[in-house]
Amino acid sequence: AQTVTQSQPEMSVQEAETVTLSCTYDTSESNYYLFWYKQPPSRQMILVIRQEAYKQQNATENRFSVNFQKAAKSFSLKISDSQLGDTAMYFCAFIPIGPSNFGNEKLTFGTGTRLTIIP
Amino acid sequence: SQTIHQWPATLVQPVGSPLSLECTVEGTSNPNLYWYRQAAGRGLQLLFYSVGIGQISSEVPQNLSASRPQDRQFILSSKKLLLSDSGFYLCAWSVAPEHGQPQHFGDGTRLSIL
Repeated sequence: AQTVTQSQPEMSVQEAETVTLSCTYDTSESNYYLFWYKQPPSRQMILVIRQEAYKQQNATENRFSVNFQKAAKSFSLKISDSQLGDTAMYFCAFIPIGPSNFGNEKLTFGTGTRLTIIP
Repeated sequence: SQTIHQWPATLVQPVGSPLSLECTVEGTSNPNLYWYRQAAGRGLQLLFYSVGIGQISSEVPQNLSASRPQDRQFILSSKKLLLSDSGFYLCAWSVAPEHGQPQHFGDGTRLSIL
């Protein structure tokens, strides 16, 4: 079974600063995808970024980037130049893929990190 | 473009009453469909998922059930609600998850049991 751990229940940072959210996971699978989702106070879950385990290059999406360390099973999210609109719950999620999981690909979520951007 | 609709947005029900939450997807065919529950301040718990019409997999034993009567329609039901069924329910869809395609979520239903 896979587990996803987010060890920071809450974080806060001043507007325009950089913040890093931590995520570790445990799996015996060799191929998988990792995601970061954002859930603002409106409660809608929004995809922020995704990373394939086979790709060594860290994914980036504008101000959002990840530090993917496969050997350490770590997948942190860095938000640069943070904005007030970044205030949200952030969830790390994992999905195994490959022949043994075909038709049974399910996301496992961490418990989330509540991020507050301070004006 | 693909869209997902989930309703109602808010629901207050007495203990022991029935439940029906509906989710529909537009703009795609044969999606995988998912129901999640999110307790206050917690992560998402997968309740049911479906890879096709009439095909439902249950992840957590409970008094809830799911049905998929049409390709892009997913319904979460209960015959008798419990206090513990309170929470935020999210529907999601994806295509080609085996290729890392992400899940896309509806706006959710906040269910309060009195």
